Amino acid sequence: GAVVSQHPSRVICKSGTSVKIECRSLDFQATTMFWYRQFPKQSLMLMATSNEGSKATYEQGVEKDKFLINHASLTLSTLTVTSAHPEDSSFYICSAREDLSNQPQHFGDGTRLSIL
Amino acid sequence: DQQVKQNSPSLSVQEGRISILNCDYTNSMFDYFLWYKKYPAEGPTFLISISSIKDKNEDGRFTVFLNKSAKHLSLHIVPSQPGDSAVYFCAASAYNQGGKLIFGQGTELSVKP
Repeated sequence: GAVVSQHPSRVICKSGTSVKIECRSLDFQATTMFWYRQFPKQSLMLMATSNEGSKATYEQGVEKDKFLINHASLTLSTLTVTSAHPEDSSFYICSAREDLSNQPQHFGDGTRLSIL
Repeated sequence: DQQVKQNSPSLSVQEGRISILNCDYTNSMFDYFLWYKKYPAEGPTFLISISSIKDKNEDGRFTVFLNKSAKHLSLHIVPSQPGDSAVYFCAASAYNQGGKLIFGQGTELSVKP
């Protein structure tokens, strides 16, 4: 089945650091990838839709200058949390979908970000 | 505005019995529905999906039912196994909204031996 790889799985860093998270579709091409955030005991909240070759589409309330998204190729999207602060600590998950209609999104294993 | 709702935060079922997880939605534009299974500190794993043109889809022990008039879908797992214990999320998408998924809050299923 479709595999999505997300790296790193865990990051612990100091406040003010910028953190980059990578999301790769390993065996299929994905024009569109998605970035989610999950708080403890809560649902997955869509942050942005990453489009290959164009700007990402951000959901309401998500700061585009804070969460930089780059969809460099059909198999790679990156999320950079700039100047991270403790309130940015969360579980970030990416997903990708094959470029066919009504295909499910496949998720990476997530990145646990902890800002001290 | 919670467009996808899972009103039961938890469910406990005996091994071998049927597990029924429920999900309600409000947006009539949703045309594709999915169920995902999630373990702690991992990403969701796709289980089964259903298009709005169908009312039932079956895959092994998993069956999803869709009632469009009631804006309700359910996931049936039978027979339930201890390895099914996880958090189950239903999700919905609309083709004219870029296919982005809207998730419910999740239901934690516990299957007891």
